[in-house]
Amino acid sequence: GAVVSQHPSWVICKSGTSVKIECRSLDFQATTMFWYRQFPKQSLMLMATSNEGSKATYEQGVEKDKFLINHASLTLSTLTVTSAHPEDSSFYICSASSLPPNYGYTFGSGTRLTVV
Amino acid sequence: GDSVTQMEGPVTLSEEAFLTINCTYTATGYPSLFWYVQYPGEGLQLLLKATKADDKGSNKGFEATYRKETTSFHLEKGSVQVSDSAVYFCALSDYNSGNEKLTFGTGTRLTIIP
Repeated sequence: GAVVSQHPSWVICKSGTSVKIECRSLDFQATTMFWYRQFPKQSLMLMATSNEGSKATYEQGVEKDKFLINHASLTLSTLTVTSAHPEDSSFYICSASSLPPNYGYTFGSGTRLTVV
Repeated sequence: GDSVTQMEGPVTLSEEAFLTINCTYTATGYPSLFWYVQYPGEGLQLLLKATKADDKGSNKGFEATYRKETTSFHLEKGSVQVSDSAVYFCALSDYNSGNEKLTFGTGTRLTIIP
């Protein structure tokens, strides 16, 4: 079945540094990828939607200059958390959608970001 | 806009008990419906889905039927196991109406005790 590989699975960084998270679709072309943030014991909050070769569409309240999303190819999307602060600590999950007839969403395994 | 209302947890059951997690939705179009499962520290895995009314999704002993008349997609399992302990999310997407985003419920934490 469809597989989405997300790396790293966890990362610790210092305040003020940037962290890049990669999301790759391994055996299918993902025209659309989604980035979510999940707080402990809560549901997923959609941050942005990215389509290959175009700018990401950010949800209201998400800082586009802080959370940089690049979707340069049909199999790779990246999320860069710039100038990270402790409040950015969270669980980040990517998802890729596949077109009909096998329409659906495949999720990465998530990245636990801790900013110290 | 679209929304998903899901039974609040946490839910604790004994092994081999019957499970129901309620899910209802509102949507402007004709959505596809999903149940996802999340194990601790992991991403989401698709459990089952249904794309039209009266469709029944099933997987690993779990079932859910797309009920358009009651706008519901309740998750059921006849006999739960300890390994079913996880968080379950009901979700919808209205792809056919041009909205590709997944709308999630709040999630239901399920704990099965031996």
